[in-house]
Amino acid sequence: QVQLQESGPGLVKPSETLSLTCTVSGGSVSSGSYYWSWIRQPPGKGLEWIGYIYYSGSTNYNPSLKSRVTISVDTSKNQFSLKLSSVTAADTAVYYCAREEVLTGSPFDYWGQGTLVTVSS
Amino acid sequence: EIVLTQSPDFQSVTPKEKVTITCRASQSIGSSLHWYQQKPDQSPKLLIKYASQSFSGVPSRFSGSGSGTDFTLTINSLEAEDAATYYCHQSSSLPRTFGQGTKVEIK
Repeated sequence: QVQLQESGPGLVKPSETLSLTCTVSGGSVSSGSYYWSWIRQPPGKGLEWIGYIYYSGSTNYNPSLKSRVTISVDTSKNQFSLKLSSVTAADTAVYYCAREEVLTGSPFDYWGQGTLVTVSS
Repeated sequence: EIVLTQSPDFQSVTPKEKVTITCRASQSIGSSLHWYQQKPDQSPKLLIKYASQSFSGVPSRFSGSGSGTDFTLTINSLEAEDAATYYCHQSSSLPRTFGQGTKVEIK
C-alpha cells in the first residue's frame, strides 16, 4: 500500500521560502497513472489545494497561490517537493501531500500524515 | 472556481441516529464529488468517491448519493468513532476545491 510522508522545517520566518518534501513509498512518482498534490489546512480551518505535479514535471497550481508556488519532482528519490515564497503568518498551516489518479474526476485516495509549518520571526 | 457549500456546519447527534450532510456545487460537476472524514490531528481519509462509491475498507453505514450540483453523505446508525469533520471535494475542474466542512459531534 502506498504511503506518503512529508518532511521539512516546522518554523519559517516571514518573507522567507517554505520548503517541504513528500517521500513516496509502496508506489512510484514515475508512474504515469497519478498526479501528486500539495494541500494545506490552517489551524482550525478547512482544506486548500495548492497544486499538483505529474511525473513528467508538468504542473498545475491554484491561481490564489500561483505567483509564489513551485512544485517539483525527483524521480530518482521517489519524492516531490513544494516551495512557497514570501511567506506570511497566513501561510501557517498543516501541509499535506496526496495522490490523485489521472482519470477524469478522481479523488485524493492517499494522504500523508501532514506537517505543521509555522511562519513566525 | 467551483464553490462547494456544505450544510449544516455542525451537527450534534446521539449514537445510532442517522446523519445527513449535504454539499452543493456552484455549477454542475457530474459525479466528480468525493467525501472525506477527518478526525482531530489526523489527515483526511477518503470515504466515498464519485458521489456514491465506497472506498476500500469503509464501513457500510457510510453512503453517498447525488449528481450534478447536489450531493449527500449519509451515515446510518452513527457510532461514537464517527465523531469527526466531514469534507466534500470536487475534481471536475481546476482548481480542486473543498467544502468548508461539517463537524459531527456525539451527544
